[in-house]
Amino acid sequence: DAGVIQSPRHEVTEMGQEVTLRCKPISGHNSLFWYRQTMMRGLELLIYFNNNVPIDDSGMPEDRFSAKMPNASFSTLKIQPSEPRDSAVYFCASSNWGRGGNNSPLHFGNGTRLTVT
Amino acid sequence: DAKTTQPPSMDCAEGRAANLPCNHSTISGNEYVYWYRQIHSQGPQYIIHGLKNNETNEMASLIITEDRKSSTLILPHATLRDTAVYYCIVTSGGSNYKLTFGKGTLLTVNP
Repeated sequence: DAGVIQSPRHEVTEMGQEVTLRCKPISGHNSLFWYRQTMMRGLELLIYFNNNVPIDDSGMPEDRFSAKMPNASFSTLKIQPSEPRDSAVYFCASSNWGRGGNNSPLHFGNGTRLTVT
Repeated sequence: DAKTTQPPSMDCAEGRAANLPCNHSTISGNEYVYWYRQIHSQGPQYIIHGLKNNETNEMASLIITEDRKSSTLILPHATLRDTAVYYCIVTSGGSNYKLTFGKGTLLTVNP
């Protein structure tokens, strides 16, 4: 089990540029989550997918953020245009939420540290 | 989801048991207690969860009081690698995708 794989591990970009973060969930998991972590706000859920369908995107900060899950093994989080306040660590997590009860724990990747200058 | 209260920091000697408390006095009957931890520069890691009964796995034990208003995570033999922020989260099974991470407890294991 390779776990949740995120890329890149670090991203440094200039304000106004487009940023794309990538996530490969654990094979067989049916749910995928994008979280953002900052010192000020801690860990925040941005969006949640179940069976590749976005279920709850209420945590997405604004229209500059978009997320897609074209298939069960890949998801992207895109920021366009990026701003310095988007600097944070972005985590992807997957689980089998809904299967065998709704208690399946989340498995997190090691995150992408984004710095927007 | 019920709110949780954890001490901001704790110390533990290497090899000793680490007992991390969590108060969740407003927990409702269908809400579970989850524990995650986050080691520096890594993603959060699931440790254990429970509803009413005490639980044990290869990582830790979870002791839930009979009234379910508090719980304790026990790391039986803490090592330096257990230094991390430990999060106690209370959530119902149906909405656990909305795990709300508070500030947690920074456990420092000292040699």
